[in-house]
Amino acid sequence: KQEVTQIPAALSVPEGENLVLNCSFTDSAIYNLQWFRQDPGKGLTSLLLIQSSQREQTSGRLNASLDKSSGRSTLYIAASQPGDSATYLCAVTHGKLTFGTGTRLTIIP
Amino acid sequence: AAGVIQSPRHLIKEKRETATLKCYPIPRHDTVYWYQQGPGQDPQFLISFYEKMQSDKGSIPDRFSAQQFSDYHSELNMSSLELGDSALYFCASSRRVTVTIAKNIQYFGAGTRLSVL
Repeated sequence: KQEVTQIPAALSVPEGENLVLNCSFTDSAIYNLQWFRQDPGKGLTSLLLIQSSQREQTSGRLNASLDKSSGRSTLYIAASQPGDSATYLCAVTHGKLTFGTGTRLTIIP
Repeated sequence: AAGVIQSPRHLIKEKRETATLKCYPIPRHDTVYWYQQGPGQDPQFLISFYEKMQSDKGSIPDRFSAQQFSDYHSELNMSSLELGDSALYFCASSRRVTVTIAKNIQYFGAGTRLSVL
C-alpha cells in the first residue's frame, strides 16, 4: 500500500526566505507526482505536476523535483511571501491519488 | 477555461438523512474521482469511474454509492448519514491519455462541504 509522508508537518519562516518542503513515498511505481496548495477550508489548487519520467518542474518562484528511485520529492519556494501561507500537499498518482499528510506553512511578515 | 463544477458547495444534513453530491467534469474528460477530506485530514480516495464504469474503489463506506452518467457527470449518494461523514468532498476529473496506463492529470473541483448535525 502506497504511503506518502511530508516533513515537516508545520513550518514558520520569515518573509523573503527560501524554503524546502519534503515529500516521501514508499512505492516508486507512480505515474506522476503533484504538489497542491490548500487554504483553510478551501479547495485544492494544483501547483506543479511532475511526470514519472521527469526530474523537475518550475513555475514562477516554485520548483519541484522528483527522485523516483529514492521515493522523494521536494518543493522549493523562493523569496517567500505572506500570501504563500497555506497547507501544501503532495500526492502521487497510480490511477488514484494518494495524498501526503501535508505541511502547514506560515510566512511571518 | 471550464473547470470541474461541484454542487452544492455547502450542505447541512441531520443524522440518518441522505445526501446527493454532484460533479460536472471538464468537457471531454472521461474519468471522475471522488475524495473525502475530514477535518485536519488529508484527502482520501473513495471511488472513480471511467467511461461510466467503476474503475477503482477506495475506502468508500457501504452506505455510499456513486455513478457516472451518459453525459459524464457523476453523483455521490450518501445514506444513513453519520456525524463522522462531515467532511469536504472533492471531485476530480481527467482525460485518459492511453488505453493501458492512466497517466492522468487530475483537476479538482472546489469541493462540497457536508455538515451532519
